[in-house]
Amino acid sequence: RKEVEQDPGPFNVPEGATVAFNCTYSNSASQSFFWYRQDCRKEPKLLMSVYSSGNEDGRFTAQLNRASQYISLLIRDSKLSDSATYLCVVTTDSWGKLQFGAGTQVVVTP
Amino acid sequence: EADIYQTPRYLVIGTGKKITLECSQTMGHDKMYWYQQDPGMELHLIHYSYGVNSTEKGDLSSESTVSRIRTEHFPLTLESARPSHTSQYLCASSRVGEETQYFGPGTRLLVL
Repeated sequence: RKEVEQDPGPFNVPEGATVAFNCTYSNSASQSFFWYRQDCRKEPKLLMSVYSSGNEDGRFTAQLNRASQYISLLIRDSKLSDSATYLCVVTTDSWGKLQFGAGTQVVVTP
Repeated sequence: EADIYQTPRYLVIGTGKKITLECSQTMGHDKMYWYQQDPGMELHLIHYSYGVNSTEKGDLSSESTVSRIRTEHFPLTLESARPSHTSQYLCASSRVGEETQYFGPGTRLLVL
């Protein structure tokens, strides 16, 4: 079983709509959680950290559910520029080594 | 923008050749990492370093080797390239005490 699992998508979203997707992690000792964004044939870039209380950054909202071991990302008022693959990332040790999911592809259409 | 660089960006090479993928960062980060990523798949950590003269193998077994003689430089070497090494190789760095990693643009390697 993979440590971090994501629905690969694609999620086809009309511009202006809301899209949400989850990621599950298998290690209950996971300490920190992140969403990275990876554009086609580019490097991953940090989108946002995920805090226990949930957090928002503009149109993006992230939630953590430790009991069920999943994190979620919600994108409101989707823009064409939001089209990308969103990588769920967790750390399981104090050194901060990252475990990546394979990503959820989001395609925002006009 | 992150100040982390990788060269070459693309490399096509024949089986059996020795290759070195370069990675440099100008942010003074102590921690550096190499990941391997195949299309549509997750990143796998193959090597990491917590500072000069420190190198460790990652979670994915790799026939490559790394060195860390200077803080800013973390090259990866394949002594004898094989078609199974065809992949994208991403270098990243981070500060001690922080978990955010900054990635270079990657090297796409094709071994014929």
